[in-house]
Amino acid sequence: QQQVKQSPQSLIVQKGGISIINCAYENTAFDYFPWYQQFPGKGPALLIAIRPDVSEKKEGRFTISFNKSAKQFSLHIMDSQPGDSATYFCAARLSGGYNKLIFGAGTRLAVHP
Amino acid sequence: EAGVAQSPRYKIIEKRQSVAFWCNPISGHATLYWYQQILGQGPKLLIQFQNNGVVDDSQLPKDRFSAERLKGVDSTLKIQPAKLEDSAVYLCASAGGTGDNQPQHFGDGTRLSIL
Repeated sequence: QQQVKQSPQSLIVQKGGISIINCAYENTAFDYFPWYQQFPGKGPALLIAIRPDVSEKKEGRFTISFNKSAKQFSLHIMDSQPGDSATYFCAARLSGGYNKLIFGAGTRLAVHP
Repeated sequence: EAGVAQSPRYKIIEKRQSVAFWCNPISGHATLYWYQQILGQGPKLLIQFQNNGVVDDSQLPKDRFSAERLKGVDSTLKIQPAKLEDSAVYLCASAGGTGDNQPQHFGDGTRLSIL
């Protein structure tokens, strides 16, 4: 099953709060899990990524938590800022060498001041 | 470095007409992707090129969509004839390779509206 399920569809967080977005997959042939950030009228941009042999990766205020046994991973945005308001997509790469990404449906995040 | 360039930014056509989109990838990037992003959904891969050869077009509706990448640089995506359900943003992305340290870089897309 080449699908990545993402939740919630939308999220409202107060400035300074923690934003949490969850993704789940079934296909064990995925070998790399990036998160992309997309602002209105712009293309997606890579935010942070993780491989399944790592349980957590942190870059600044952004952290990916990965649970291989549950086939779930999540993005945590600490100290959320109004500038973080965007749509976030999780993705999963099919192993096999061609860097094919399967994207989740996206989460629209709004950070209120 | 210059990013992925796409044109036009917007296009409005009537159903059954034809349309073409153009993409210029980041210089030196061998891999080029075309995605369709329907409103409220994530990008869906339509076709992937490695240099000027197609490596994946499994989700390209070949009865109406076509794409080419002559000389392994620029690429065009064509729809003929367009249907109402083709209304979407068409994104082009490029990558220097397929490794973890060579992510896909996206252009800002072409927003297509079918009347």
